[in-house]
Amino acid sequence: DVKVTQSSRYLVKRTGEKVFLECVQDMDHENMFWYRQDPGLGLRLIYFSYDVKMKEKGDIPEGYSVSREKKERFSLILESASTNQTSMYLCASSQRGGTSDPPRETQYFGPGTRLLVL
Amino acid sequence: QKEVEQDPGPLSVPEGAIVSLNCTYSNSAFQYFMWYRQYSRKGPELLMYTYSSGNKEDGRFTAQVDKSSKYISLFIRDSQPSDSATYLCAASRGGSYIPTFGRGTSLIVHP
Repeated sequence: DVKVTQSSRYLVKRTGEKVFLECVQDMDHENMFWYRQDPGLGLRLIYFSYDVKMKEKGDIPEGYSVSREKKERFSLILESASTNQTSMYLCASSQRGGTSDPPRETQYFGPGTRLLVL
Repeated sequence: QKEVEQDPGPLSVPEGAIVSLNCTYSNSAFQYFMWYRQYSRKGPELLMYTYSSGNKEDGRFTAQVDKSSKYISLFIRDSQPSDSATYLCAASRGGSYIPTFGRGTSLIVHP
């Protein structure tokens, strides 16, 4: 079974703090993703990475950065946390090559980190 | 307009009912379709996937795609309170590694 783990389930931070969210997957997947999920807005893609040291902006990258130094680990960084970044953050991974059953696009999610910025 | 649309619900049904969850999509290039289940305060988990048109059955769950009308459905037979969750549909073009997600439909199955 694919396992995606996230470093924290719940976090409370102060406005202006630098926040690190870490994600680790154990299936040797090439692709990794960070989403935020808010009521009524669904999943919104923040950043993704298709290889070590590679990153691509998603739909809402402002206020975030990412780091991928190792294949299995993808970190999301909030440079200066703000109250509008209070949200559920979800990490996901998917394979790029290999078999297509299930489809390569199939994403496997971590349990999520609920971040509250005060 | 989002490429994949879902009614957010909530959809409330009695235990044992047949549930129909639906999505519509606008991109005719979508080839793969997925359903995720997300329990409260948890991450989404893959429930089913299917290619192009047709049905796929897995236990009490049936996924159906009608490409001609751009309609995706998930049927749950003999629904249980443990099926209460948010269900997200997703679609992908193939060759692209990022699926497009619907916003999810909240399902409540009451005893």
